[in-house]
Amino acid sequence: EDKVVQSPLSLVVHEGDTVTLNCSYEVTNFRSLLWYKQEKKAPTFLFMLTSSGIEKKSGRLSSILDKKELFSILNITATQTGDSAIYLCAGVGGGSNYKLTFGKGTLLTVNP
Amino acid sequence: NAGVTQTPKFRVLKTGQSMTLLCAQDMNHEYMYWYRQDPGMGLRLIHYSVGEGTTAKGEVPDGYNVSRLKKQNFLLGLESAAPSQTSVYFCASSSPRTASSTDTQYFGPGTRLTVL
Repeated sequence: EDKVVQSPLSLVVHEGDTVTLNCSYEVTNFRSLLWYKQEKKAPTFLFMLTSSGIEKKSGRLSSILDKKELFSILNITATQTGDSAIYLCAGVGGGSNYKLTFGKGTLLTVNP
Repeated sequence: NAGVTQTPKFRVLKTGQSMTLLCAQDMNHEYMYWYRQDPGMGLRLIHYSVGEGTTAKGEVPDGYNVSRLKKQNFLLGLESAAPSQTSVYFCASSSPRTASSTDTQYFGPGTRLTVL
């Protein structure tokens, strides 16, 4: 059975801090790893990672994938209160039978 | 361009009642999905569809049925609601034009369902 595990489950930091969120996966016929940010409502897409060692970057957020060790990290530098959200990691696999497995998420709270 | 929309936003049902949740997307996406999200459980795939007229089971399909009669719509039905189906339901869609676009899913705003 496919599994995606995120850590920590929750995290409280102060504005300006740098955070690292972790995601480990066991996905059959692995194809890609996705990161989403979920505030009050729908998850919004952040990154898709398919290749090891290639960093994806968007502003203060960056992410990288290690296909040998089966994990990914999401970094947020100079955190702001607007970064407070649940961050979801999902593994895509299954070959022709498309399958996406979400982790339980990391709840990040950024205090002023 | 509204993206992915869901109807209704909230609903309260009694045990045994039936209802249908509607998902609509205007991005001409081939693939559509239904998830439920429960505290401490993350997002779990209920059913999905890779094209008009086709559906497939996800991780937690029991107690739900789906239909994809039109490309832009994906319906999720509860025939006989149970308290265990109290959850937030999200619909999503994606496009199979490339592998990367297939994997990038766009989510609707969610429907909060309570079954008493």
